[in-house]
Amino acid sequence: ILNVEQSPQSLHVQEGDSTNFTCSFPSSNFYALHWYRWETAKSPEALFVMTLNGDEKKKGRISATLNTKEGYSYLYIKGSQPEDSATYLCAFTNNAGNMLTFGGGTRLMVKP
Amino acid sequence: NAGVTQTPKFRILKIGQSMTLQCTQDMNHNYMYWYRQDPGMGLKLIYYSVGAGITDKGEVPNGYNVSRSTTEDFPLRLELAAPSQTSVYFCASSYGRNEQYFGPGTRLTVT
Repeated sequence: ILNVEQSPQSLHVQEGDSTNFTCSFPSSNFYALHWYRWETAKSPEALFVMTLNGDEKKKGRISATLNTKEGYSYLYIKGSQPEDSATYLCAFTNNAGNMLTFGGGTRLMVKP
Repeated sequence: NAGVTQTPKFRILKIGQSMTLQCTQDMNHNYMYWYRQDPGMGLKLIYYSVGAGITDKGEVPNGYNVSRSTTEDFPLRLELAAPSQTSVYFCASSYGRNEQYFGPGTRLTVT
């Protein structure tokens, strides 16, 4: 069983604040790192799939970076809006198998 | 495209009853997955399939069975429901190991 850790578990920010959170994963046999956004009462939706060390991906105000050598990824949200309130999940897969192992998520709440 | 659909949306089972959770995708994805969501625990993989006729255990397979007779369908069977199986169940699909597309979930309560 692979260990994928996310921090913090939860985060409260004011509208307009920029924020970031961390995903840690095993650095050996890396294949891909996924980020998903999960709104309450909905299903997870993919944000990014990252495969190369040093990858940076961006979608609107959300961006992510990847360091496979040290086993971490950061997700950044610039100028948080109330509609960004959700749980953000990262998930890791290695070369040994076809499974994604999910972290416990970071729950973001943005106050207007 | 409907994407990934799941039925039923809600179900209450008595201990020892059995049921099948249905999952269908219309994106011609070869990979399909079943997860359960427990409070504060994120998503745990129950079973997955990389193609019709092929299934593999995930992290928490005990108490469940699956089959994959077609590309589109991946039903999850609970044979003897137990209170520990009370959870929200999500089906997902993907093309290879790319991003996964999730269904709306089935909320199951076992009493």
